[in-house]
Amino acid sequence: GAVVSQHPSWVICKSGTSVKIECRSLDFQATTMFWYRQFPKQSLMLMATSNEGSKATYEQGVEKDKFLINHASLTLSTLTVTSAHPEDSSFYICSATEDSPFNQPQHFGDGTRLSIL
Amino acid sequence: RKEVEQDPGPFNVPEGATVAFNCTYSNSASQSFFWYRQDCRKEPKLLMSVYSSGNEDGRFTAQLNRASQYISLLIRDSKLSDSATYLCVVTTGNTGKLIFGQGTTLQVKP
Repeated sequence: GAVVSQHPSWVICKSGTSVKIECRSLDFQATTMFWYRQFPKQSLMLMATSNEGSKATYEQGVEKDKFLINHASLTLSTLTVTSAHPEDSSFYICSATEDSPFNQPQHFGDGTRLSIL
Repeated sequence: RKEVEQDPGPFNVPEGATVAFNCTYSNSASQSFFWYRQDCRKEPKLLMSVYSSGNEDGRFTAQLNRASQYISLLIRDSKLSDSATYLCVVTTGNTGKLIFGQGTTLQVKP
């Protein structure tokens, strides 16, 4: 089955640090990748949708200058949290789809737990 | 109002019990419907898609009522391994954007 790898799985760093998270599709070409965030005891919230070779589309309330998304190839998308602060601590999850109708099904990475001290 | 609302839970049931989860969605244009399962500190995993005609996968039965904008999941003969958070998910439009409910936590006890 389709495999999506996310790295790193856990990050702890100081406030003000920029953190890069990678999302890779290992056995398929991901034309679209999605980035989600989940705070404790809350639902997953879509942050942005990225299509290979074009700018990401951000959801309302998500700062594009703070959460930089790059989808330069069909197998890799990166999310960079710039100048991270404690309120950015969360569980970040990516998903990827092939070129399929309505972008389904989505294959999820195993998530990155980000803790900012 | 949240786009997808679920029973608050948690549901604590004994092994072998039958348990039902409910979910409502606010956008009548929603197109696709799913139940996902999420274990603690893990990514969500697709449990099953939900169709208007209803569908069953082993001990799991999902129902969709478009008129009432209501989705349900029934789990029969609960197992300890069913303990998890169950997420109701819908999509709207052709972008594939998944809208997640808050989730309902199930704890199956021996």
